[in-house]
Amino acid sequence: QVQLQQWGAGLVKPSETLSLTCAVYGDSFTGYYWSWVRQPPGEGLEWIGEINHSESSNYNPSLKSRVILSVDTSKNQFSLRLNSVTAADTAMYFCAGQVDATVRFWGQGTLVTVSS
Amino acid sequence: EIVLTQSPGTLSLSPGERATLSCRASQSLSSTYLAWYQQTPGQSPRLLIYGVSSRATGIPDRFSGSGSGTDFTLTISRLEPEDFAVYYCQHYDSSPPLYTFGQGTKLEIK
Repeated sequence: QVQLQQWGAGLVKPSETLSLTCAVYGDSFTGYYWSWVRQPPGEGLEWIGEINHSESSNYNPSLKSRVILSVDTSKNQFSLRLNSVTAADTAMYFCAGQVDATVRFWGQGTLVTVSS
Repeated sequence: EIVLTQSPGTLSLSPGERATLSCRASQSLSSTYLAWYQQTPGQSPRLLIYGVSSRATGIPDRFSGSGSGTDFTLTISRLEPEDFAVYYCQHYDSSPPLYTFGQGTKLEIK
């Protein structure tokens, strides 16, 4: 069974960069795609992008210009950087793992607030 | 881009009743990449159904999924108190790769 543990800054200033990392425990890091999903307060889920162990990545077109995903296979970790944040980027951010186009595993979530 | 529309927005039922949640796609889905998730307040989503109708590990058999084309349904045959939550459908399109979620249905106690 896979467990995901995520961390990162909970408060980011406008125009700066949001940065989160997720560690994968318990199963093969290479067997899945790893994603980030966000949820603004009181709203629904939005997929940000995915990456695998060989750094093959896909992004939501709505965020692609501002997102960088990366992996560290030596630590079984993957990371999200979202540039030029605004208040609209305030959300709970989840790391996740999927196989067969289905999100099977979820991190605990990190609330990121964009505010000066 | 495929848009998933869930209905109703809120469903008010009592424990023991049957719940039927709808997810409609803006165009016919050519694949079976349709999943359902449950989210309770303050928690991460949990996978219930994948591939339209397959239950995830550990999911009770009162949960079932069905549908094809543009219309998909999550049915909870007999509601338990822990089933009152928000439910999301999700589709994966491979060209280009994109995961899309519906806006959610809130299932509340009547």
